[in-house]
Amino acid sequence: EIVLTQSPGTLSLSPGERATLSCRASQSVSSTYLAWYQQKPGQAPRLLFYGASSRATGIPDRFSGSGSGTDFTLTISRLEAEDFAVYYCQQYGSSPITFGPGTKVDIK
Amino acid sequence: QVTLKESGPALVRPTQTLRLTCTFSGFSLTTSAMRVSWIRQPPGKALEWLGRIDWDDDKFYSTSLKTRLSISKDTSKNQVVLTMTNMDPVDTATYYCARTPKSAVGMGYFDYWGQGMLVTVSS
Repeated sequence: EIVLTQSPGTLSLSPGERATLSCRASQSVSSTYLAWYQQKPGQAPRLLFYGASSRATGIPDRFSGSGSGTDFTLTISRLEAEDFAVYYCQQYGSSPITFGPGTKVDIK
Repeated sequence: QVTLKESGPALVRPTQTLRLTCTFSGFSLTTSAMRVSWIRQPPGKALEWLGRIDWDDDKFYSTSLKTRLSISKDTSKNQVVLTMTNMDPVDTATYYCARTPKSAVGMGYFDYWGQGMLVTVSS
């Protein structure tokens, strides 16, 4: 089973700042089969990226995804008020599907 | 328009069996490569994938929970059913069903989610 580690656990930033979130896998993720989700309190997760860098429908271009192998990054170029949330990575290269523990982006 | 919605008991007693239904619309589980998964999230904690059923009735389960889980489908009703035996208070969580699109490769990601249903396990 691939274990995903996300860092930092919490990121405290101000609107307009850049956010860089890391997701590291315990072994190489096949063919960049890595997705990112955003979750706000009381809501279901929302797909942001799949294939490490393919933006899902309706996701603003201030969000970008990158990486391969065992190291992946989600970047938010300039934080807006609605971006403060918890972000999860998920690998789907091998069974079972696994999620990371999440990174909370909160307002400084 | 794709929608999914979970339904079932909000409260389950320890040792009982949980049965949750995911009713969906906007797609069909008879379409090649379509898949529906169950995912749960304990209060304040991370997401945990439980298992998946495919258009061809293939099933995949979490390694740690596979002895307690069963997933089935009723394509005529557009429903997927999760059965989890021997419930324990640690199984208290919000349970989601989610769709994997037919274009997704590998085990798949989730493009549409239900709203989730909180299931509490308590005596």
